[in-house]
Formats: sequence, structure tokens, C-alpha cells
Amino acid sequence: GAGVSQSPRYKVAKRGQDVALRCDPISGHVSLFWYQQALGQGPEFLTYFQNEAQLDKSGLPSDRFFAERPEGSVSTLKIQRTQQEDSAVYLCASTLRDRNYGYTFGSGTRLTVV
Amino acid sequence: GQQLNQSPQSMFIQEGEDVSMNCTSSSIFNTWLWYKQDPGEGPVLLIALYKAGELTSNGRLTAQFGITRKDSFLNISASIPSDVGIYFCAGRGGSQGNLIFGKGTKLSVKP
Repeated sequence: GAGVSQSPRYKVAKRGQDVALRCDPISGHVSLFWYQQALGQGPEFLTYFQNEAQLDKSGLPSDRFFAERPEGSVSTLKIQRTQQEDSAVYLCASTLRDRNYGYTFGSGTRLTVV
Repeated sequence: GQQLNQSPQSMFIQEGEDVSMNCTSSSIFNTWLWYKQDPGEGPVLLIALYKAGELTSNGRLTAQFGITRKDSFLNISASIPSDVGIYFCAGRGGSQGNLIFGKGTKLSVKP
């Protein structure tokens, strides 16, 4: 597609519920990233894929966070047993080749855990 | 997680004024990027800098990659109402590869 598409745009989850956030990168983009942006803060790195391989997951805050990109295009970020501190905007970004270029970000998914 | 020191946190300016903001890091970076984020949207890349000392312009925007590789500056000339938004700096180290963002500078313009 023309840009990075994320869905849903908004998600309200009850504490303890599992959620799945979807990212459709720009067609042909090899690299895909997930970032977490808390209110009033800059984005913070979560994980990075090159094609279907997850090369870096050092930013995932706990083992409740899991990301996959099985066919090297669409990616899903899953959060199990959500907690209130998981409330944030989750941004997906993609770039054509490696990570040494500026990313194109999606509009994000705003997750609110109540 | 690690974040860069970005200043000022917010600023109010008159339309037509020039704006300056900067970003510093305790670590050396190989790449500096400047993004703008509007409410409800993801950050949009404004300028990318890849070499120490580099000065790059994009319309009314000018950014510089500090010679120490630990800082960067963004200038906006002759500000207009659509410049309103939050500006983020982001840096990338050599082997690390991931972007580290500042906390943002919120720009408000008085019409």
C-alpha cells in the first residue's frame, strides 16, 4: 500500500485481556519495527524484523509481549494479560532495506487498559 | 529506556518568527533524524543527517549534525500556523541500529 497501515486505531482492553495489534508495512519494505509511545514521551523501540526474521527483540518490556511476521509482510504485536502500564500508542514503521534509513511510521494503535 | 535530551520542551512563537531546538546525547550517534508528529498520527520524517558536521535543508527547515556526533539542531525559519506539532529528534548508533528518540518539543504558533 501507499503507507504503513495499522489496525485497530483504538483498542480498549480490560486488565488481564489479551490483545493483538496488526501492522501492514509498505509493500516491498524489508525491515519492520515496533515502537511504544507513552503519553508525553518519544517512541521507544520494542522489536525489529528483517523479512520474517526477528533480529532484535531487546526492547520488549516483558515476556507478555510477543511479535511475529511469519511471511515477511504483515506483522502482529500480541500482548498477553494486559496491565494498566501497557496503555500507550503502539507504532509500527517500515523501511525499504536495512535500518540505516529514516523510517515511515503508521498512525499507531492507541491501547487503553482499564 | 534511554532517551535523548531535547530542548526546549515547549515553545510559543509568533507567526513569522524563527525557531530553534536541539538535542543532546551522552552517546555518539552515526545518524540523526528529525520527525514531526501531529495529534493522532505517527511521526513523519523531516530531515535525515548521516555525517558529522552535515548541514541539510528541507524548505524552511535546516538541521545540523553536531561535530561531536553527540548533538543536533533543527531550525525553522518564518514559522507558519501549520508548523504546530511535536518535533522529535532521533539518533542511531553504529551497531545498535535502533532509533533512540528525544521527548519532543511542542511547538505552538500564535496566529
